[in-house]
This record gives sequence, C-alpha cells and structure tokens, in this order.
Amino acid sequence: AQSVTQLGSHVSVSEGALVLLRCNYSSSVPPYLFWYVQYPNQGLQLLLKYTSAATLVKGINGFEAEFKKSETSFHLTKPSAHMSDAAEYFCAVIQNSGNTPLVFGKGTRLSVIA
Amino acid sequence: EPEVTQTPSHQVTQMGQEVILRCVPISNHLYFYWYRQILGQKVEFLVSFYNNEISEKSEIFDDQFSVERPDGSNFTLKIRSTKLEDSAMYFCASSAGTTNTGELFFGEGSRLTVL
Repeated sequence: AQSVTQLGSHVSVSEGALVLLRCNYSSSVPPYLFWYVQYPNQGLQLLLKYTSAATLVKGINGFEAEFKKSETSFHLTKPSAHMSDAAEYFCAVIQNSGNTPLVFGKGTRLSVIA
Repeated sequence: EPEVTQTPSHQVTQMGQEVILRCVPISNHLYFYWYRQILGQKVEFLVSFYNNEISEKSEIFDDQFSVERPDGSNFTLKIRSTKLEDSAMYFCASSAGTTNTGELFFGEGSRLTVL
C-alpha cells in the first residue's frame, strides 16, 4: 500500500524567503504524486502533480516540486514566499495503475510572516 | 468556473441520529468521492463511486455509511446512526475520466458535529 509522510506539521517563513515543504512517499509500484493546497475555509485545490514524465514539476502560484526516486521524496518549493501562500499543504499519492484511492499526508500548515 | 458544492456547511446533530450530507459534483465528471478530516488529523478516504456503484471503500466506510446518486446531479453521504467519533469535516470531490487519476476537485466541506 502506498503512503506519504510530511515532515513538519507547521512551517513558518518570512515573506520573500524560500518555502520548502517536505514529503516522502512509500509505494511498492511507481506512484503518481500530488500536492494539494487548502486555503482557510475552502476545499482542497490541486497545486501540481507528478505522473512519471518530467521529474521537476511546475504548478500554480510559482510552486514546483521535484520527484527524487533515490530519496523517495517529492518536496514542494517556492523561491519567494508571499503572504497569500499561507495555507495548509497536503502531499498525496496514488498508484499509477489507477482506480485506487488518493492517499493524503497529514498536511503542513505554512505561515508567512511579514 | 465549475465547482463542487456541498450542503450543509455545518450540521450539529445528536448521537444516534441520521445525517445526510449533500454534494453536487461538476456536471461532466464521472468519479465521485467522499473524504473526511477529523480535527487535527489527516484527510482520510471514505469511498469512491463510479457508474452508479461503489468503486472503492475504506475500512472507515462501514455499514453505518451509505452513498447514493439519487437524481443524476446530487451525490449524498448518509450516516445512519451517528457516533461522537463521526465528528469531522466531510469533503466531497469529483474527477473527470473513467479512471481515478488523482486529479480531484473538492468542495468546501461539510462540518459535522455530533453531540
């Protein structure tokens, strides 16, 4: 069975600083990996996805993530944090064979300090 | 932009009562899901629904839970006899395509409080 582990339930950065949210996955078969974002009082929204094409994936709002098989990681980064990036971020995994549930990590709350 | 809508946004109920949470998925989507998030915990999969039947369900989705697509637009989650531990945010989601690609569109959630 596949799973993801997000390191750090809360990350705080200054506005303009690098954002790094960590995610490690466990999967017995090649995975598809995702980052979802949840802004306050809203549903989850797809930020980006990895589906075995390019290992560096670019998403919305300047975020990107790199799939590293050797490290079983899919960390989310953004060069310069903005106040509007404050939200809960969820890493998620699914088997690439499809028809299996999307499994989420526990989430990381990102705070951006002015 | 099309979106998934959920009602009610918040429901308070007494333990043992039946609850129905409603969702209107995006109109041309074929896969429907319910997830829940207990306060402070991870988002957990409950059930997926495709072609008018359950496609996958988790261990959480026991006999107290049921789903239905009664009229071609609504997708409902029923909890027959609520327990305190059912208190959570319940998210409905939908996706296009005939397989679960992981690209889900979520509603804003229905918060269920069981007293």
